[in-house]
Amino acid sequence: GAVVSQHPSRVICKSGTSVKIECRSLDFQATTMFWYRQFPKQSLMLMATSNEGSKATYEQGVEKDKFLINHASLTLSTLTVTSAHPEDSSFYICSAVRDRGTNTQYFGPGTRLTVL
Amino acid sequence: AQSVTQPDIHITVSEGASLELRCNYSYGATPYLFWYVQSPGQGLQLLLKYFSGDTLVQGIKGFEAEFKRSQSSFNLRKPSVHWSDAAEYFCAVGALTGGGNKLTFGTGTQLKVEL
Repeated sequence: GAVVSQHPSRVICKSGTSVKIECRSLDFQATTMFWYRQFPKQSLMLMATSNEGSKATYEQGVEKDKFLINHASLTLSTLTVTSAHPEDSSFYICSAVRDRGTNTQYFGPGTRLTVL
Repeated sequence: AQSVTQPDIHITVSEGASLELRCNYSYGATPYLFWYVQSPGQGLQLLLKYFSGDTLVQGIKGFEAEFKRSQSSFNLRKPSVHWSDAAEYFCAVGALTGGGNKLTFGTGTQLKVEL
């Protein structure tokens, strides 16, 4: 168990458009999900914490109006990159907490976003 | 604030040789510790975790890690490396209480396996 999926796996869009990325926990319910961004050959940078039924908590320096997060159900969180620009091109990874008592996060396969 | 240091950016080992990846953490309270592996273009897969009990933790794919509180370390080991182990390895620390379930990741160690 503990499978997390992301859709799409890869997306290319034009500058100025918005892109939505879905993160689903397939075999468990997750009240908390996280969104990370990873630049080439670097570690993961936490962008925000997504809590079901409440507003997301953003890390310092992350624009909440640009990266919209919605955690509408216990198995789905979405990240929308609004008015995307080339500098938003990156690898976006989500994770979901299954074992809340031990903070164990299970990660999705990631979404490669390229903004032209 | 918690932090994780992975001193080795790159490590190359021969197939069949033993492996140890270093991880040092800094955290004021009792930490949760994790090792994840990432293949190119993929998400992270949990190898093992420590949160209490036996300080030697067994994980998947033949990996193990030992928590040493006195050294603030959680090094990952494997007795015999396979070519398929070539990947990026991340150590992470999480809070036992509070912290909102957040994890802090190290910068990663890129493992190359020579045949």
